[in-house]
Amino acid sequence: AQSVTQLDSQVPVFEEAPVELRCNYSSSVSVYLFWYVQYPNQGLQLLLKYLSGSTLVKGINGFEAEFNKSQTSFHLRKPSVHISDTAEYFCAVSYHTGGFKTIFGAGTRLFVKA
Amino acid sequence: GAVVSQHPSWVICKSGTSVKIECRSLDFQATTMFWYRQFPKQSLMLMATSNEGSKATYEQGVEKDKFLINHASLTLSTLTVTSAHPEDSSFYICSADNRGRYYEQFFGPGTRLTVL
Repeated sequence: AQSVTQLDSQVPVFEEAPVELRCNYSSSVSVYLFWYVQYPNQGLQLLLKYLSGSTLVKGINGFEAEFNKSQTSFHLRKPSVHISDTAEYFCAVSYHTGGFKTIFGAGTRLFVKA
Repeated sequence: GAVVSQHPSWVICKSGTSVKIECRSLDFQATTMFWYRQFPKQSLMLMATSNEGSKATYEQGVEKDKFLINHASLTLSTLTVTSAHPEDSSFYICSADNRGRYYEQFFGPGTRLTVL
């Protein structure tokens, strides 16, 4: 079975500070990895994805993530956050077992303080 | 490109009535559309997967007769919540893949359903 664990439910951080949102996954099959951002009462916006190739993935809004197969992790980072980055962030894995499915982590609330 | 719309964005209905939510891919054809449910401050839970022209595949624990899904074309899927009750109140989000490229999902803005 596949699972996604986001280790922090909330991450408060000051503006212009760096941030890391942690994500670990478990899977018996090959997966694709994603990070999404959700603003209040909105759908999900893709930040970045890892399909194959380079383990360091760069996304929109200055975010990047590194796929670590041995540690089954896909942590999201940003070197300097802005107030506008305050949102809910979801790590997700997609896999194909007779049909395509995506499962999401519980989410991490990033709160950027002035 | 790759825009997914949902209609309505929010709906309030009385208990016992049925509500239909539309999900449209505006500028691409979606082989598969997915329906998710999200409770306040929680993650998204996959309810069902629908493929154009075939019956939807429901996740375990999701009532097929309560949540009717129709994928009439490559650009439209509908979710009908039948005989809605207050516990069905939730945020419903659809997503669509782009021509079978299942590693690329595009999400709609969501529909907030409140059942009184």
